[in-house]
Parts: sequence; structure tokens; C-alpha cells
Amino acid sequence: EVQLVESGGGLVQPGGSLRLSCAASGFTFSNYWMSWVRQAPGKGLEWVANIKQDGSEKYYVDSVKGRFTISRDNAKNSLYLQMNSLRGEDTALYYCARVRIPATQYDAFDIWGQGTMVTVSS
Amino acid sequence: DIVMTQSPDSLAVSLGERATINCKSSQSVLYSSNNKNYLAWYQQKPGQPPKLLIYWASTRESGVPDRFSGSGSVTDFTLTISSLQAEDVAVYYCQQYYSTPLYTFGQGTKLEIK
Repeated sequence: EVQLVESGGGLVQPGGSLRLSCAASGFTFSNYWMSWVRQAPGKGLEWVANIKQDGSEKYYVDSVKGRFTISRDNAKNSLYLQMNSLRGEDTALYYCARVRIPATQYDAFDIWGQGTMVTVSS
Repeated sequence: DIVMTQSPDSLAVSLGERATINCKSSQSVLYSSNNKNYLAWYQQKPGQPPKLLIYWASTRESGVPDRFSGSGSVTDFTLTISSLQAEDVAVYYCQQYYSTPLYTFGQGTKLEIK
């Protein structure tokens, strides 16, 4: 079964750090662009970051540039999001998502995890 | 950035009736070299992640019931549910993937039963 499972969320104080993980299974992880998408409580979807299949290209939404780092370990079929200098507005459910077609970022997200909740509060 | 605007924000439709959700992009998402619209639709039920329904503006994802259809081109798009079922109650989002890596989503349309 094709699956993505996120972990690592939790409660953190403003200015703190968290590292999210996403474990992939059921497909050849190393062939796909991967993204993180977040959803604040009761709000819509916001793309956060993505990474090329070999990790050579990484992109971020402006609001997280310089604070978040996306990475992957293809040997472990895992995607990561290192989040530093966290702010209240980063509070959200964080999903990892796969682009539908291998080796391109120009397509929709066909596989989503269940998400991991990040709460930034003192 | 391409801004995606959905209408209406919420919609109540009777069971068996047609539901129509609109999505407008602030600039074209039609790539002229392949004549494809880089537009997707997702369904999100409470407590669940989004589910891909439609890509390339009108291609149904495998397993999606044929009562769901997508149409439109360039900047104006529509998701139509031909005969609303109880299980279709959800929030629906459009998304452009033309200006990647900055994917953008519409604000969502909440669909309920009248």
C-alpha cells in the first residue's frame, strides 16, 4: 500500500525548534518530488516547501525561508522538515505529500499523509 | 504569485441535485506548449487529509466517481458534482501547479446538504 506517515509534531515555545519526519512506503520514494503542506486550525491549505527526488533542489514559501529546512534520506525512504525560530503563525497540521508523476514537480499531489500537529505557544 | 479564488465560500445543495464550485486564477495556468491547464481539485472531509479528485483541470483521478467532473481553461474553472451524495459533504480546494515551486490553493468551499 502506498503510504506516507508523518511524525515529530508537538507543543513548542515561540523561538523553539522541531524536526518533522515523513516515512514513505509502497512506492519508489527516490523517484518523486516531495512537499510539505500545512493547514492552520480551521483554515485552508498552504504549501510550505518541496524537494527534488535527489535533494539537489529545494524551495520554500517566503514566510518560512531562512527558518525551515527540507531534506530527505532516500536510503531510509524519509522526508524531513527542520523548523527553527518557530512562531505562533506556524501552528498548523503539517502534511507531507507526493507529486503524482515521478521526476517532475509540475503535477498535483496524489498521496498525502495524515499529518502531524505543530503548536507554537508559550 | 498566482492567487486562486473560489466561489462560493459555502454551498448547500439537496441530495441528488447538482453542485457547482468555481475557481478563478489571477493569471493563466494554461501552458501553451502542451495545451494543458495546471489545475487540480481536492476534497477534504473532516479529520482527513485532502484527496485528489481532478488533475489537468478535467482528468479524474483513478477511483473517483464519475459524478465528479472538472471543466474550464486559462483562468476560470469549475468542479461539478452531478448528483450530490451524502458522502460528498466536504471542503473542496482548487490548486494551481503552473507556477511551481510556489503551489497555491484556493481558500476552500464548504459543501453541505440542504
